Amino acid sequence: EAQVTQNPRYLITVTGKKLTVTCSQNMNHEYMSWYRQDPGLGLRQIYYSMNVEVTDKGDVPEGYKVSRKEKRNFPLILESPSPNQTSLYFCASSSWDSSEQYFGPGTRLTVT
Amino acid sequence: GENVEQHPSTLSVQEGDSAVIKCTYSDSASNYFPWYKQELGKRPQLIIDIRSNVGEKKDQRIAVTLNKTAKHFSLHITETQPEDSAVYFCAASIGEYGNKLVFGAGTILRVKS
Repeated sequence: EAQVTQNPRYLITVTGKKLTVTCSQNMNHEYMSWYRQDPGLGLRQIYYSMNVEVTDKGDVPEGYKVSRKEKRNFPLILESPSPNQTSLYFCASSSWDSSEQYFGPGTRLTVT
Repeated sequence: GENVEQHPSTLSVQEGDSAVIKCTYSDSASNYFPWYKQELGKRPQLIIDIRSNVGEKKDQRIAVTLNKTAKHFSLHITETQPEDSAVYFCAASIGEYGNKLVFGAGTILRVKS
């Protein structure tokens, strides 16, 4: 089954404790992206990747890192999480010949 | 950069009525305009999209119209049903390959039965 998966689905952590949210897709998509969703603000892009080893900042990249060592994986790293990073995070992927983005199930992160 | 504005932020309609959600964008180079539906606790899912060489597209009860000159596009849902209740997001593509999307803030649609 074609899908985008994220782990963990829920995470409660404390300020400053490094964490990684994994994202994997099995559709051989070149493009992958991370979004955060906050009430009234829609989906804002954090980082995106056009292909392996090619990443770039989105609209709200501060406090986040990403890597794209393999085509299927695009982890999101919070080196020192802060309470303002409490949010719902979505990973998405798409192929070059179709702009349709497929979203993962979401990760709800709470930083206390 | 691209800015996408979406209105209204909330919309309540009676079952069977039509619903219209409107979006405007700023980058005249945008050429792909998808609409996503997000049910409570679920991921956004594409319901319909349109490219800049087309003015209107329909899929059963859902239609999207695009006015490139005015830089706005709209989602039309006819004969609304309770299962249409969700958050709807519009988006506009930017960049050379059109994969990068800028989303509107979303519209909460409530269909009252």
